[in-house]
Amino acid sequence: GENVEQHPSTLSVQEGDSAVIKCTYSDSASNYFPWYKQELGKRPQLIIDIRSNVGEKKDQRIAVTLNKTAKHFSLHITETQPEDSAVYFCAAKGWWTGANNLFFGTGTRLTVIP
Amino acid sequence: DSGVTQTPKHLITATGQRVTLRCSPRSGDLSVYWYQQSLDQGLQFLIQYYNGEERAKGNILERFSAQQFPDLHSELNLSSLELGDSALYFCASSVERTSGTGELFFGEGSRLTVL
Repeated sequence: GENVEQHPSTLSVQEGDSAVIKCTYSDSASNYFPWYKQELGKRPQLIIDIRSNVGEKKDQRIAVTLNKTAKHFSLHITETQPEDSAVYFCAAKGWWTGANNLFFGTGTRLTVIP
Repeated sequence: DSGVTQTPKHLITATGQRVTLRCSPRSGDLSVYWYQQSLDQGLQFLIQYYNGEERAKGNILERFSAQQFPDLHSELNLSSLELGDSALYFCASSVERTSGTGELFFGEGSRLTVL
């Protein structure tokens, strides 16, 4: 199966600064890389995703980059706001035994300091 | 609201006991996934069902089992419970089975506490 590593485990930034979270994956067959945000006590929700045929994708203040050769992808949040405080999970998806499965990283707890 | 319903929201039980967690996927979604999230831990994939059939297994213990019924709801059965089984159990659903990508829609989770 897939092994996804995520760094850092915790991240504190001042409001207005940028935040970067990095993930690596092990299986070169993985072809889809979503990011989920989990606010305290809530369910994880998709915030952005990228497919393996794209190098970068942006949606307002968040962007994701993918380096297939190095097998790593990153989440970038610019102009951070207090409501960005949450746990962020990266994930990788590939095809094993005909089934599609998302394997998640261990999460990054982002704290935006007002 | 994701459209995925999980019951119960909270459950407290004793070691050695057995519990059943229930999940109703979004209308139209054929795939159901179960994930375990321990305190300050990531999301551990347990098992996936598609249209009633088991599609993939992750790190699911032999004491745990699951099934998906004809109406597509799913149940996760946890038996011989241990303290370490205390966790938040998420169910998620998606519409697609194989090709392409597809967002996972998570339920609110069932928090299990084993005393």
